Amino acid sequence: KAGVTQTPRYLIKTRGQQVTLSCSPISGHRSVSWYQQTPGQGLQFLFEYFSETQRNKGNFPGRFSGRQFSNSRSEMNVSTLELGDSALYLCASSLLPGATNTGELFFGEGSRLTVL
Amino acid sequence: TQLLEQSPQFLSIQEGENLTVYCNSSSVFSSLQWYRQEPGEGPVLLVTVVTGGEVKKLKRLTFQFGDARKDSSLHITAAQPGDTGLYLCAGAGPGTYKYIFGTGTRLKVLA
Repeated sequence: KAGVTQTPRYLIKTRGQQVTLSCSPISGHRSVSWYQQTPGQGLQFLFEYFSETQRNKGNFPGRFSGRQFSNSRSEMNVSTLELGDSALYLCASSLLPGATNTGELFFGEGSRLTVL
Repeated sequence: TQLLEQSPQFLSIQEGENLTVYCNSSSVFSSLQWYRQEPGEGPVLLVTVVTGGEVKKLKRLTFQFGDARKDSSLHITAAQPGDTGLYLCAGAGPGTYKYIFGTGTRLKVLA
């Protein structure tokens, strides 16, 4: 079956702009979570959605937002971009919400954002 | 705040050597997972451990969950260049929906 698909794979933006990233989970998976990965901070949890509801949110400013659609596809948006937002943004899908299920998180290849 | 510290941060070894990677926390986790990430790809699950003291083996990889469910280790026997990658532990705390990822161990196995 098809894996987790993230688009775009690479993008370059300038400070102050906004960006929207998309994630299509594995068919049948209803949970989508987003992570930011940087060399200095590692993999940090942004938020998780299950059945169109945000279940949990990490410690990121309000400039970071997300949503999930009825088909489980998810988008995340970052407004007023800062240089420090440059990172690999990873999306992961699973059948059920993270900690209620010890099953696997399936990750996409990520969207690499560069902010100039 | 739950934190997962991994050690060492970087490890470069020769093919055939053994190594152990540690994942430590002061918090209790209901389950803990190990992932491997290769350049240009997302992390891929290696194993999930849920019971304190549990030991799981995956070919040359041995995973152990601490008795108190606060720490874990990954031991690789006779490392091969194909083991090269970023190893991440991830813990799920009781009552939360989010996985906390460790700081990562970047392993390079030289042929």
